[in-house]
Amino acid sequence: DIQMTQSPSSLSASVGDRVTITCRASQDINNHLNWYQQKPGRAPKLLIYDAFSLQTGVPSRFSGGKSGTDFTFTISSLKPEDVATYYCQQYDDLLVFTFGPGTTVDIK
Amino acid sequence: EVQLVQSGAEVKKPGESLKISCQGSGYTFATYWVGWVRQMPGKGLEWMGIIYPGGSDTRYSPSFQGQVTISADRSINTAYVQWSRLKASDSAIYYCVRDGGSGAFDFWGQGTKVTVSS
Repeated sequence: DIQMTQSPSSLSASVGDRVTITCRASQDINNHLNWYQQKPGRAPKLLIYDAFSLQTGVPSRFSGGKSGTDFTFTISSLKPEDVATYYCQQYDDLLVFTFGPGTTVDIK
Repeated sequence: EVQLVQSGAEVKKPGESLKISCQGSGYTFATYWVGWVRQMPGKGLEWMGIIYPGGSDTRYSPSFQGQVTISADRSINTAYVQWSRLKASDSAIYYCVRDGGSGAFDFWGQGTKVTVSS
């Protein structure tokens, strides 16, 4: 099974800061990597799909990238409404899906 | 407007059976995979399994294989997950999700909270 790791597990940043979360898969996942935002008490929401593509309606301050074998999720300028837990998720050609453990983002 | 509407909260005793539902609307239900995701209290997201309502092809996470059964009735645009014998550790919020075609879950149900307690 493909395992996903995320770092950091939590972070605290100031409004306006650039925030980056990293996700790593235990084997090659061919950019089949998605990012979700979950606010407390709410269902998760898809932000980024296929590693780089912004889901319709999602603000452009959110972006996805790749550095070597690590996938990155960036908030270019943190807003108070971005307080949430962010999850990466991979899928493979056998339609097996795995979520990362999540990163909690709050305001300093 | 695409919507996934789930059945309401359940309170059950250990050993009881349960089937929760997820009804899709606003799109052609039979042509998109529908999955289930578990979130235990205070914990992260766990993918349970997924079904193609148009042909009933079903895949399970190894962690949930044999523990739950996922099914669908495309005549009423509804997917299900069921347990034959609940355990206290099945207490969680369960979300249904639509795979939008890139292995990405683009729409989520509102969640069904299941509480299993004696």
